[in-house]
Amino acid sequence: QSALTQPASVSGSPGQSITISCAGTSSDVGGYNYVSWYQHHPGKAPKLMIYEVSNRPSGVSNRFSGSKSGNTASLTISGLQAEDEADYYCNSYTSSSTQVFGSGTKVTVL
Amino acid sequence: EVQLVQSATEVKKSGESLRISCKGSGYSFTSYWIGWVRQMPGKGLEWMGIIYPADSHTIYSPSFQGHVTISADKSISTAYLQWSSLRASDTAMYYCAKSLTSGWAYGMDVWGQGTTVTVSS
Repeated sequence: QSALTQPASVSGSPGQSITISCAGTSSDVGGYNYVSWYQHHPGKAPKLMIYEVSNRPSGVSNRFSGSKSGNTASLTISGLQAEDEADYYCNSYTSSSTQVFGSGTKVTVL
Repeated sequence: EVQLVQSATEVKKSGESLRISCKGSGYSFTSYWIGWVRQMPGKGLEWMGIIYPADSHTIYSPSFQGHVTISADKSISTAYLQWSSLRASDTAMYYCAKSLTSGWAYGMDVWGQGTTVTVSS
């Protein structure tokens, strides 16, 4: 199972919006609404930011939103803040009844 | 408070066996899945597999099937990840995580602090 494809890096200035893409296939992202997104600060445990494509867990800022079109899912961070600087990973259920993570995107706040 | 507490850092040699643990507390351990995720040095997250502690039903990623064993002891609310013969390429941080719901495909909402495994050749 190959990793889902994400851009290696995305950057933005404080207050701006950025979008991270997560490209898969009809056997994973495109076939199911089981896409989740995780924020990972180095040295800390990953944090669930979005589940089932667009749902936010309790406690996650509404500056984070998720969507999906075809085989590509997206995470948008609006009103970018310094604390948002981290690695972000998408994850999807697959037709093999497993899960697969994306390749990861490093978000830099300029 | 719902939490997962993982076992301490391990330093082993190639060919040795190892079992690391993940103890859940603050929730019904048998009602949620526990997954394992690997992060090799400087690399991304990799999904290894998942177990339902109530009946030990386990699903493995094809990339890890046959090289690791995932198990659980519901009597002590603990899940395990074990190797019978370590390789240098097993050097990584390993995280356990709890499923958001009783279904395992939706996402993982609580994560352990990670266990660092270093394997020397």
